[in-house]
Amino acid sequence: GNSVTQMEGPVTLSEEAFLTINCTYTATGYPSLFWYVQYPGEGLQLLLKATKADDKGSNKGFEATYRKETTSFHLEKGSVQVSDSAVYFCALSFGGSQGNLIFGKGTKLSVKP
Amino acid sequence: DTAVSQTPKYLVTQMGNDKSIKCEQNLGHDTMYWYKQDSKKFLKIMFSYNNKELIINETVPNRFSPKSPDKAHLNLHINSLELGDSAVYFCASSGQPGILFFGSGTQLSVL
Repeated sequence: GNSVTQMEGPVTLSEEAFLTINCTYTATGYPSLFWYVQYPGEGLQLLLKATKADDKGSNKGFEATYRKETTSFHLEKGSVQVSDSAVYFCALSFGGSQGNLIFGKGTKLSVKP
Repeated sequence: DTAVSQTPKYLVTQMGNDKSIKCEQNLGHDTMYWYKQDSKKFLKIMFSYNNKELIINETVPNRFSPKSPDKAHLNLHINSLELGDSAVYFCASSGQPGILFFGSGTQLSVL
């Protein structure tokens, strides 16, 4: 079946450190890939997306590249801030009338000043 | 204006009770969802409606019944609440596949 695997958290970094959160997927076909972010006490928000191989999604200094050969969509940021502390979810979708997201288990990031 | 609003934000109730969570979206989207988030933050889809029609019904106990009176509303009714139903329930809407707008969640605690 279709699934998403993320690195286990929590991840604790100092401000201005480099961030990588690994995400790999298993899918029958070619899904679109997404990163969502959940700040404390809030619902999820779309952070970035990529719809085909080699696409790079980017937003707010975060980037992720759709790698078909390694079935990966790792999230990176060059210099994290305290305000980036949140739970990050990798997800895939096949679109169509269903178009629902299949989420990874989430990775909690804590950034210390 | 909140795009996807759900009420109540907190719901504390006794086992065996029946409760409802309401959701409304003002984005004009055709598709709405209910997701359940457990204590470890794992998110699982429960239901999806497209233009008031049920599209996805995952393996959810039939004590959970969604109702969509119109395409802007998707309510969740839960009968005979059990301890294991304690979780955060998120409503979401979508106008494009995979791009979901989430409400702020309803934290349900069953005592």
